[in-house]
Amino acid sequence: NAGVTQTPKFQVLKTGQSMTLQCAQDMNHEYMSWYRQDPGMGLRLIHYSVGAGITDQGEVPNGYNVSRSTTEDFPLRLLSAAPSQTSVYFCASSYRQTSAGEQYFGPGTRLTVT
Amino acid sequence: KQEVTQIPAALSVPEGENLVLNCSFTDSAIYNLQWFRQDPGKGLTSLLLIQSSQREQTSGRLNASLDKSSGRSTLYIAASQPGDSATYLCAVRRPQAAGNKLTFGGGTRVLVKP
Repeated sequence: NAGVTQTPKFQVLKTGQSMTLQCAQDMNHEYMSWYRQDPGMGLRLIHYSVGAGITDQGEVPNGYNVSRSTTEDFPLRLLSAAPSQTSVYFCASSYRQTSAGEQYFGPGTRLTVT
Repeated sequence: KQEVTQIPAALSVPEGENLVLNCSFTDSAIYNLQWFRQDPGKGLTSLLLIQSSQREQTSGRLNASLDKSSGRSTLYIAASQPGDSATYLCAVRRPQAAGNKLTFGGGTRVLVKP
């Protein structure tokens, strides 16, 4: 199993540009999430999904969109990038809530918005 | 609101010494607690998961304890090695947490000196 994969690893955007961060998992996990990691702020939840076609907002959803058309993929879209979105983005997946719930994280995407 | 704290933020020890990493949380109503390792510029690797009904969990040189009543978990790493140098993060999950949301501590950055 490849586990959780993310692309790209690095990205530089100009303010106002849009892009999609890709996330895929091959463990047949129902739950998938996006977190951002910032110095002094720790990891914070952006959006999450409990299954194909079902998504919801986390703590810091503004400026981001998600969709989940398949169990395997959970892309994160930045519609109009802002410098405040400079961060490291992690995708995570796990089995549904009633299981042990161990979460698996991808390697991250390092995004810089200038 | 659940808050997770890890003190100290950084720790330096000589090789061979045992490591003791602390994690405290404000709400004792947790579903589980997970310890992660993060190497510089890398993603999060799960080390140990402790369910709320467990007191400790062991894997090789790693041992994690959980005391829900006092809101504390401790990660012990025996006979530290330079390869143990990394940032260690703890994260808690509430019962019925939407999307298996994790609340993270700020991490402890560990340096093991040869």
